[in-house]
Amino acid sequence: GENVEQHPSTLSVQEGDSAVIKCTYSDSASNYFPWYKQELGKRPQLIIDIRSNVGEKKDQRIAVTLNKTAKHFSLHITETQPEDSAVYFCAASGQTDSWGKLQFGAGTQVVVTP
Amino acid sequence: SAVISQKPSRDICQRGTSLTIQCQVDSQVTMMFWYRQQPGQSLTLIATANQGSEATYESGFVIDKFPISRPNLTFSTLTVSNMSPEDSSIYLCSALAGGGIYGEQYFGPGTRLTVT
Repeated sequence: GENVEQHPSTLSVQEGDSAVIKCTYSDSASNYFPWYKQELGKRPQLIIDIRSNVGEKKDQRIAVTLNKTAKHFSLHITETQPEDSAVYFCAASGQTDSWGKLQFGAGTQVVVTP
Repeated sequence: SAVISQKPSRDICQRGTSLTIQCQVDSQVTMMFWYRQQPGQSLTLIATANQGSEATYESGFVIDKFPISRPNLTFSTLTVSNMSPEDSSIYLCSALAGGGIYGEQYFGPGTRLTVT
């Protein structure tokens, strides 16, 4: 089955700096890669996703890149703000015979200090 | 998108008892799932809740322990049976919404279960 590794486990950044979280996956059939933000005590919230026919996707201060050859994808947050502090999870899904099933990375605790 | 609610939001249960968690989606969805998230950990898929047929369980999870129902396209239940302290966790349902196989997956708020 799919295995997703996520690094780093914790990330401290100064407000205004950029944050990058990297994930690798093992199943070359995976073709959908969402990112979730989870604040303490809250549900995971979908913040951006990318599909295998796209190399990069951007939404305001966040962007995701995908390298299918190397089987890795990354989340980039620019101009970080204190409200970006949360745990971020990457995930991968085949959306074929494992339709919709998400395999999650271990998570990255992001702390943005003013 | 989909708005998902869960009941109860939290519960404290005694060892050996069972708890049923309800998940309601505000629109009809093709796929619903149940995940477990232990404190400070990532999410682990328990099973896919199939409408009109038995749920599909992931490795390490069995129907006798986690029976699931899905009577229609907007509702599902997960029962945690014969609970032990190791079952203390957050249980989340999710739904794949908006676009068939190209849909996005949204989560309910979770049910925090403590087993004493």
